[in-house]
Amino acid sequence: DIQMTQSPSSLSASVGDRVTITCRASQSISTSLNWYQQRPGKAPKLLIYAASSLQSGVPSRFSGSGSGTDFTLTISSLQPEDFATYYCQQSYSTPRGFGQGTKVEIK
Amino acid sequence: EVQLVESGGGLVQPGGSLRLSCAASGFTFSDHYMDWVRQAPGKGLEWVGRTKNKANSYTTEYAASVKGRFTISRDDSKNSLYLQMNSLKTEDTAVYYCTRVRGGAVGWFDPWGQGTLVTVSS
Repeated sequence: DIQMTQSPSSLSASVGDRVTITCRASQSISTSLNWYQQRPGKAPKLLIYAASSLQSGVPSRFSGSGSGTDFTLTISSLQPEDFATYYCQQSYSTPRGFGQGTKVEIK
Repeated sequence: EVQLVESGGGLVQPGGSLRLSCAASGFTFSDHYMDWVRQAPGKGLEWVGRTKNKANSYTTEYAASVKGRFTISRDDSKNSLYLQMNSLKTEDTAVYYCTRVRGGAVGWFDPWGQGTLVTVSS
């Protein structure tokens, strides 16, 4: 199975900060990497698919990059509604596992 | 509007069974692979399994943690997805989400249903 490791597990940031979350796969997954946002008590929401494609309706302050084993999600200017937990997920092979999540909290 | 609505969750004793349903609307259900993902209380997301579409023989795939106990099925005539859960364990307690797969075999999950809570406890 492919293991997905996110870092950090949590971070504190202020509105307007640039935030970067990393995700590492235990083996190459090409660009089959997706990012989701989950607010408390809500279902996850797709942000980025295929490593770098922005889902329709998602603000352009979100961006994704990477290929192979190393990927990043960047929020260019953190907004109040961005405080949530973020998950990466590999769709390269079964089982289609998730990272453990990164909780973004208000500093 | 694309929508997924789960139902069927509840309290069940260890060793018991439960069947979850997911009603889809707003898209051509029969074209898509469909997956189940769960989230234990206070924990992260865990992929449960997948049913492919008719063009791919409705092939199913499962996580090792549920293989042999859970069965995913679909009824394209009713735009519905199902998760039959047998021999339930306390560690199966979670919110269960259904999700549409976009982008084919290496696709992504969009959208997600609101989830239904399954509690396995005596």
